[in-house]
Amino acid sequence: AQRVTQPEKLLSVFKGAPVELKCNYSYSGSPELFWYVQYSRQRLQLLLRHISRESIKGFTADLNKGETSFHLKKPFAQEEDSAMYYCALSRYSGNTPLVFGKGTRLSVIA
Amino acid sequence: GAVVSQHPSRVICKSGTSVKIECRSLDFQATTMFWYRQFPKQSLMLMATSNEGSKATYEQGVEKDKFLINHASLTLSTLTVTSAHPEDSSFYICSAPLGGYNEQFFGPGTRLTVL
Repeated sequence: AQRVTQPEKLLSVFKGAPVELKCNYSYSGSPELFWYVQYSRQRLQLLLRHISRESIKGFTADLNKGETSFHLKKPFAQEEDSAMYYCALSRYSGNTPLVFGKGTRLSVIA
Repeated sequence: GAVVSQHPSRVICKSGTSVKIECRSLDFQATTMFWYRQFPKQSLMLMATSNEGSKATYEQGVEKDKFLINHASLTLSTLTVTSAHPEDSSFYICSAPLGGYNEQFFGPGTRLTVL
């Protein structure tokens, strides 16, 4: 079965400090991993996906198949990064539904 | 970018009534849409996959007769909560994928409150 685990419900960091939001997954095939973000009173939106290997808003995430992890990182947190972050998984082929982790609320303190 | 809308944004109804929620892809066609449910402070749980021109696929534990899904066109899927009960109160979110890499675009959600 597919499963996504985000161990932290809440993560508080000071502005300018590094951020790491943890995500581990279980899936027997070759999954596609995503990070979605939900800012206050806004809809879920894609932050980044592992296949594109890009950096969005200073965030990066590397898929580690050995550790089955897809941790989200940013070297210097900004106040505007405060939001709910969801790690999600889907099967690689086709348009398939996402399996979400429970989410981590990031709070960046000025 | 691609936009998905939902209507209504919030609805309050009496127990025993039915409520219809619409999900529309505004600037792209979606042969598939997904319906999720989100309880307070919890994650999104997939309810069903809506397929244009065919029956929806429901996740285990989701009653198909209670949560009726109709994908009437390439831009519209509806979720009808029949004979609603207070325990159906929740936040319902739809999404539609676009592109080959399964990027999904989410609607703003519909908050249902059943009295």
